[in-house]
Amino acid sequence: DAGVIQSPRHEVTEMGQEVTLRCKPISGHNSLFWYRQTMMRGLELLIYFNNNVPIDDSGMPEDRFSAKMPNASFSTLKIQPSEPRDSAVYFCASSYNREETQYFGPGTRLLVL
Amino acid sequence: QQPVQSPQAVILREGEDAVINCSSSKALYSVHWYRQKHGEAPVFLMILLKGGEQKGHDKISASFNEKKQQSSLYLTASQLSYSGTYFCGTEWILTGGGNKLTFGTGTQLKVEL
Repeated sequence: DAGVIQSPRHEVTEMGQEVTLRCKPISGHNSLFWYRQTMMRGLELLIYFNNNVPIDDSGMPEDRFSAKMPNASFSTLKIQPSEPRDSAVYFCASSYNREETQYFGPGTRLLVL
Repeated sequence: QQPVQSPQAVILREGEDAVINCSSSKALYSVHWYRQKHGEAPVFLMILLKGGEQKGHDKISASFNEKKQQSSLYLTASQLSYSGTYFCGTEWILTGGGNKLTFGTGTQLKVEL
């Protein structure tokens, strides 16, 4: 298996622009997680899907952030409009269920100027 | 709400043991442990559920003391590959329903020859 795939790996954009991050989980995994990591805030869980349904989005910082999982093999995290404080590494992870081993993607490094 | 990890940093000689502690002010549902090497994605180590679990694989194990709202990660006979930053994540049930998972600031562990 190719593991969790994230795209793009790097994104540089200007404040106010829309940013879409993509994730393809491992085939057969029912749980998908989006994390954000910065030096200031550390590691944060943004949202968790189970069977394509958002179960816990309490970590989503504000309305500018939205996440979708239209099917079992694809998820997106969208930021609109983006702000410099959104600059971070965004990780996607998947697992068979919430209490099983999570496999992380390589991350998307986002820089908002 | 963020768990407190100790120590913040530790240096070991190969073969030595280490303990990393994680404590919370919340009544916990579960504790998660991750390891991250610089510039890489986190690696999920294990999750421990309420009920006073103890888990382990290879020479890395962890315990969860529900009453004390604490967890400890045990690294036995450390290897160079154990070097990295270890994060604990603590999960609790929200009053209005749902779970919340927050992460500690990490423990930097370095294993030397």
